[in-house]
Amino acid sequence: ILNVEQSPQSLHVQEGDSTNFTCSFPSSNFYALHWYRWETAKSPEALFVMTLNGDEKKKGRISATLNTKEGYSYLYIKGSQPEDSATYLCAFTARGGSNYKLTFGKGTLLTVNP
Amino acid sequence: KAGVTQTPRYLIKTRGQQVTLSCSPISGHRSVSWYQQTPGQGLQFLFEYFSETQRNKGNFPGRFSGRQFSNSRSEMNVSTLELGDSALYLCATSLGGLAGYNEQFFGPGTRLTVL
Repeated sequence: ILNVEQSPQSLHVQEGDSTNFTCSFPSSNFYALHWYRWETAKSPEALFVMTLNGDEKKKGRISATLNTKEGYSYLYIKGSQPEDSATYLCAFTARGGSNYKLTFGKGTLLTVNP
Repeated sequence: KAGVTQTPRYLIKTRGQQVTLSCSPISGHRSVSWYQQTPGQGLQFLFEYFSETQRNKGNFPGRFSGRQFSNSRSEMNVSTLELGDSALYLCATSLGGLAGYNEQFFGPGTRLTVL
């Protein structure tokens, strides 16, 4: 059973603060790492799919880095806005056999106070 | 471009009954995956279908089954419902390729309550 851990579980920040979360995953048989944003009453929405060690991806004020050798990814939000309030999920895919499926962490719930 | 649609959105059943949920993918998407979301367990992978074949499955009992039609629409079925099956069921679709590699597009989910 693959273990994907996210920390912190929840986070409250003020509008304008920058913040970051961590996703930890097994460092062996890495295939892909996904980040999704899930706003209340909406569907999860893909932010990034990362496949190479050292990958850095950016979308607006949100960016992510990937270290497959040590098994972690960071998601950064610069200048948080109330509309960034959501649960941020990471999902890991291992390589090989029946492993090609997403294993999700339990998410980090971000609340941005105006 | 229309998004992923799931029907019904809400469902109430009693223990022992069976239920069928439907997922229509984005046009051109051939891979459909199903997930179960519960407060304690988070999003858990049920199975994935591609070109009408089950390509992968998670660790769920045989009461959970699915299928995919030639137009890529997918259904999942849960037989002999138990209280613990109460959850949000999400489907996610992608263009194809190996599951777990491509960006997934999620539907709005079906909220199943088992009484």
